[in-house]
Amino acid sequence: EPEVTQTPSHQVTQMGQEVILRCVPISNHLYFYWYRQILGQKVEFLVSFYNNEISEKSEIFDDQFSVERPDGSNFTLKIRSTKLEDSAMYFCASSVPPGAANEKLFFGSGTQLSVL
Amino acid sequence: EDQVTQSPEALRLQEGESSSLNCSYTVSGLRGLFWYRQDPGKGPEFLFTLYSAGEEKEKERLKATLTKKESFLHITAPKPEDSATYLCAVQASFFGGYQKVTFGTGTKLQVIP
Repeated sequence: EPEVTQTPSHQVTQMGQEVILRCVPISNHLYFYWYRQILGQKVEFLVSFYNNEISEKSEIFDDQFSVERPDGSNFTLKIRSTKLEDSAMYFCASSVPPGAANEKLFFGSGTQLSVL
Repeated sequence: EDQVTQSPEALRLQEGESSSLNCSYTVSGLRGLFWYRQDPGKGPEFLFTLYSAGEEKEKERLKATLTKKESFLHITAPKPEDSATYLCAVQASFFGGYQKVTFGTGTKLQVIP
């Protein structure tokens, strides 16, 4: 079965540094997402992306965050100046368009971000 | 704001001991209710989508049901490999574009041989 691939699996950074998390969504999917999960807490929506623009974002997704689809296969999440509270598991997901058959979110295995 | 509450937080079963997990939700017009399985250190893995009250779906030892206020995930004769955290999530109705999926905190299931 096709899968969403995320790299790196673990990222350690110093507070204030920039990080880029990378994802390769499933090839025929058109909608892309980032979610995060702080240890012991629920999975939280960050942003959705369609047709090369953000379609929805949460209040967590402030000016420190940005997303990009730099080519036909990669989807990235950038955090410009990391804070301690950004430490979490970040999940990329992709899906077919809403309303299409077999509509569901396919998640990657995540990037564990640790901000020191 | 959409809300999802799951209970119990944790459940420990003997192998073969059937039980149910509960998901209560409030949403402004339900588009879909989802069940996912999450193993430690992994991303959520899709199990079911339910769209309307009265709908039921089954997969191996799992059966999901939906009412207007809650969903149940029934586990029949569980095996140790069913041990995982089970997540419930809802998506509100929308017109065009994308409506975010809101997750509950999950039920951590442990099945003991």
